[in-house]
Amino acid sequence: NFLLTQPHSVSASPGETVTISCTANSGNIASTYVQWYQQRPGSAPTLVIFEDDQRPSGVPVRFSGSSDSSSNSASLTISGLKTEDEADYYCQSFHDTDRWVFGGGTRLTVL
Amino acid sequence: QITLRESGPALVKPTQTLTLTCTFSGFSLATTGVGVGWIRQPPGKALEWVALIYWDNGKRYRPSLESRLTITKDTSNNEVVLTMTNVNPADTGTYYCAPLGLILSHNYFDPWGPGTLVTVSS
Repeated sequence: NFLLTQPHSVSASPGETVTISCTANSGNIASTYVQWYQQRPGSAPTLVIFEDDQRPSGVPVRFSGSSDSSSNSASLTISGLKTEDEADYYCQSFHDTDRWVFGGGTRLTVL
Repeated sequence: QITLRESGPALVKPTQTLTLTCTFSGFSLATTGVGVGWIRQPPGKALEWVALIYWDNGKRYRPSLESRLTITKDTSNNEVVLTMTNVNPADTGTYYCAPLGLILSHNYFDPWGPGTLVTVSS
């Protein structure tokens, strides 16, 4: 099975920068796009990054994405952290057999 | 403006059949490349893609659930229906629907409905 592994949790203080990784267990992550979703408590997920590094309109420039074939992983970076960024973040990619695959999610705590 | 709303029973008994409806507006499932998917989330756990139907009636199912799932669409009424047979407590969770391909070739889900919580219990 195609799996995407994320750290269970990360934390940082307001104003700092945090990076969340998403590592594929097989294949080449660079050959397929990665998306990132933000899910605040009690709410539905919302898209913050699509196609590795593209921001939907309305998403602050503080949010950025990247993909690294050497580590077979993608990353979401949030700079200038705000308390409102505290949420769960999920990466998602597509696999020919398993189709739309989500990572296990990362809980971001803004201290 | 694109909106979606999931509806269905809040409580289902084990072995029963669950039927969920996604009602949407702001886009059409008759448009080439568009699909509507279902994603679920057990309490306190991660998101899990369940099923998807395309504009051309192509259907995709999560392999581990495929034998219990049926997804259909009513294009004229902007609805997608997911049926899951023989439910068990592991099917408990919030079920979301979301479109993909609203921009041609974009293979991700956006935006999402608010979700509907389904509990499987006797």
